Amino acid sequence: AQTVTQSQPEMSVQEAETVTLSCTYDTSENNYYLFWYKQPPSRQMILVIRQEAYKQQNATENRFSVNFQKAAKSFSLKISDSQLGDTAMYFCAFFIGGTSYGKLTFGQGTILTVHP
Amino acid sequence: EAGVTQFPSHSVIEKGQTVTLRCDPISGHDNLYWYRRVMGKEIKFLLHFVKESKQDESGMPNNRFLAERTGGTYSTLKVQPAELEDSGVYFCASSSLYEQFFGPGTRLTVL
Repeated sequence: AQTVTQSQPEMSVQEAETVTLSCTYDTSENNYYLFWYKQPPSRQMILVIRQEAYKQQNATENRFSVNFQKAAKSFSLKISDSQLGDTAMYFCAFFIGGTSYGKLTFGQGTILTVHP
Repeated sequence: EAGVTQFPSHSVIEKGQTVTLRCDPISGHDNLYWYRRVMGKEIKFLLHFVKESKQDESGMPNNRFLAERTGGTYSTLKVQPAELEDSGVYFCASSSLYEQFFGPGTRLTVL
């Protein structure tokens, strides 16, 4: 069975600073995808960034980047130049690749608060 | 392009009653998923449709939950009879490939 663990229930950061959210996972599969989703207060969950396990290069999307350590099964999210709009619940999620686009397995979530 | 929509946004029912949740996926998305988040816990998978067929229903908690996807378009999730532990937020997601797009969720409260 696959598991995803987010060990930080809550984090806070000052506007314009950098914050890193942690995520570890456990799987015996070799073909998988990792995602960070963001759910702002009272709004829909949206995809922030994804990483294919077969790619060694860490994914980046503007101010968001990941540190993917496959051997350690670690997938942290770094947010640079934090903005007030980054305040949200962040979920790390895992997906086994293949011909059938199956379920996501989620971590418990991290509430991030960006302070002015 | 319209996103994933869910109805209702909130539902408050008494234990023993029936509730039906609806999800309209993004047009053209063959994959439709239901997830649930019970308060304070992680989001858990319930089931996955490919078009009108159930691909994986391993997450359905028990036979009080019935999901359908008529003609491969919208989906409904019926809970009958509802129990207190069914309270939570029910999310629907759809995808054509590996990126899942989520709806706003239905918050279900069973009293």
